[in-house]
Amino acid sequence: DAGVIQSPRHEVTEMGQEVTLRCKPISGHNSLFWYRQTMMRGLELLIYFNNNVPIDDSGMPEDRFSAKMPNASFSTLKIQPSEPRDSAVYFCASSFPGLAAYEQYFGPGTRLTVT
Amino acid sequence: TQLLEQSPQFLSIQEGENLTVYCNSSSVFSSLQWYRQEPGEGPVLLVTVVTGGEVKKLKRLTFQFGDARKDSSLHITAAQPGDTGLYLCAGARGSNSGYALNFGKGTSLLVTP
Repeated sequence: DAGVIQSPRHEVTEMGQEVTLRCKPISGHNSLFWYRQTMMRGLELLIYFNNNVPIDDSGMPEDRFSAKMPNASFSTLKIQPSEPRDSAVYFCASSFPGLAAYEQYFGPGTRLTVT
Repeated sequence: TQLLEQSPQFLSIQEGENLTVYCNSSSVFSSLQWYRQEPGEGPVLLVTVVTGGEVKKLKRLTFQFGDARKDSSLHITAAQPGDTGLYLCAGARGSNSGYALNFGKGTSLLVTP
């Protein structure tokens, strides 16, 4: 079975440009999470969805960040305009209530570099 | 403020040594999970502990959940180079609409031959 799929794996862009990160969760999983990982701050939860509905977006840094989940098999995280401080690895994870204690399965991440 | 504090932050040992890493919090969690992350990859779940005082073993890895469900430890016996990675603990907060995880910053382990 395919795991969580993220694209692109690497993204290099210039400050001010729009960046869109994509995620396909594991089929049948109804919770989806977006994280950002940096050396300084570790793994931070940005937003999570349950049944395609955003539940908690308190981790979204500011209005430049937005996330959507139009259906159960696809989600996007958009940064517009991007800034150098947004450089990080962004992970998507999915989960299913039937799993013990809501264990999460992570994608391989998107490494974003904003110059 | 980090809800989960992990220690040590970095650990470099030689193959065959034993080690313990810790995950501490002032909050109570319904469950606690340990993940291992290798460079260029996402975290991979190792184990979930749910009951206070619970001990789980995974080959050479022993996980313990504190009696009060606020802390946990991971002990590795006879470490091998393949154990190298970032070890993350995560606590489940829980809600009726889904469980979000609070992650610690991790312990970066290097095992040299």
